Amino acid sequence: NAGVMQNPRHLVRRRGQEARLRCSPVKGHSHVYWYRQLPEEGLKFMVYLQKENIIDESGMPKERFSAEFPKEGPSILRIQQVVRGDSAAYFCASSGQARDEQFFGPGTRLTVL
Amino acid sequence: AQSVTQLGSHVSVSEGALVLLRCNYSSSVPPYLFWYVQYPNQGLQLLLKYTSAATLVKGINGFEAEFKKSETSFHLTKPSAHMSDAAEYFCAVTESGQAGTALIFGKGTTLSVSS
Repeated sequence: NAGVMQNPRHLVRRRGQEARLRCSPVKGHSHVYWYRQLPEEGLKFMVYLQKENIIDESGMPKERFSAEFPKEGPSILRIQQVVRGDSAAYFCASSGQARDEQFFGPGTRLTVL
Repeated sequence: AQSVTQLGSHVSVSEGALVLLRCNYSSSVPPYLFWYVQYPNQGLQLLLKYTSAATLVKGINGFEAEFKKSETSFHLTKPSAHMSDAAEYFCAVTESGQAGTALIFGKGTTLSVSS
């Protein structure tokens, strides 16, 4: 009974490169959420997706960030032209039909040099 | 808008002592409330949740929390701390008071347990 899987667990990018973070939800879950945890801050919501649809992207920066959750395959959070301020832990969570609980993955720790 | 305040960024207790982590929320609608625990370099694990059923909620690892509407609080307690409880704890509320919406997190409380 695999939980939420995220890869890579650690990602190092140089300024200006692209970062792709992947999230495979709990089997059977169709709701995915992305959160960012910056140093000395709590977790901040970024985006909520359901299969092939973005439901709520109110927490996403307006530029350089995008997310998708295709019909097949993992959800992907993409950060273009990364800057040092993007260095953070990015967590994915998923929920099932009841949506009354979010299960979190282990996170991807992004370091921008 | 919903918000969560965790009083005390750092709490220290002795092994065997009572653990009390405070959480107050601001919500214009009946909330869904959660406590999560995070161990170093790991993801978040759900300890317990309140979804408008019983006001006293029991969770994993001996933790429980009581929903007090009059105080807008959802404090987390454990009668006897164990060394393995040392971690960071987050209180969260759903953004719109509905299941399935974004979680709004408090800034977290780091719990230290000394022998």
